[in-house]
Amino acid sequence: TQLLEQSPQFLSIQEGENLTVYCNSSSVFSSLQWYRQEPGEGPVLLVTVVTGGEVKKLKRLTFQFGDARKDSSLHITAAQTGDTGLYLCAGAKVQGAQKLVFGQGTRLTINP
Amino acid sequence: AAGVIQSPRHLIKEKRETATLKCYPIPRHDTVYWYQQGPGQDPQFLISFYEKMQSDKGSIPDRFSAQQFSDYHSELNMSSLELGDSALYFCASSFYPGQGYYNEQFFGPGTRLTVL
Repeated sequence: TQLLEQSPQFLSIQEGENLTVYCNSSSVFSSLQWYRQEPGEGPVLLVTVVTGGEVKKLKRLTFQFGDARKDSSLHITAAQTGDTGLYLCAGAKVQGAQKLVFGQGTRLTINP
Repeated sequence: AAGVIQSPRHLIKEKRETATLKCYPIPRHDTVYWYQQGPGQDPQFLISFYEKMQSDKGSIPDRFSAQQFSDYHSELNMSSLELGDSALYFCASSFYPGQGYYNEQFFGPGTRLTVL
């Protein structure tokens, strides 16, 4: 069973549309990270959220950490073809924990 | 900014051979992590090191071992390679998360290991 469940797993939309990707768990996390990964490359860190209810913005990307620190969302406004890629959420269950547990990823395709 | 460096980027081995993967963390990062990512799968944690000591262990086979050196670089040694070991192997680094830092890991570009 996956500790972090991402949805949807695949998403294909037109350029200019908005989208939201969800990362859910029944467990509490001390922090959650969102990564973007290109084929054959390492995950690139986009953001870290650590406080329940926290909202962080990175240009057209908005990240939110749930109040109970069990879930997170990534919202992209006016998607561009350059946003195409695999988006992974990952979390550390307790502060000081070494390993990150990953969601299964959302493969996003933005069509021109 | 300097990133995590991994070598080699690609490695082809025969079954039952050995392989050594190297990782050089971001300067000043003292903790390194190894992950394995199979095709179409999310990264799975193998092992981590802080100050040359193993700090956590995941689903690392007994055939694999790793260590961290005094300059903080790390090596993953893989013996008796099996076909199922073919995967992307990532190293990540961070400041030690137990010292007030959240576990914000930065990943290297990976080593693609192919076992024939």
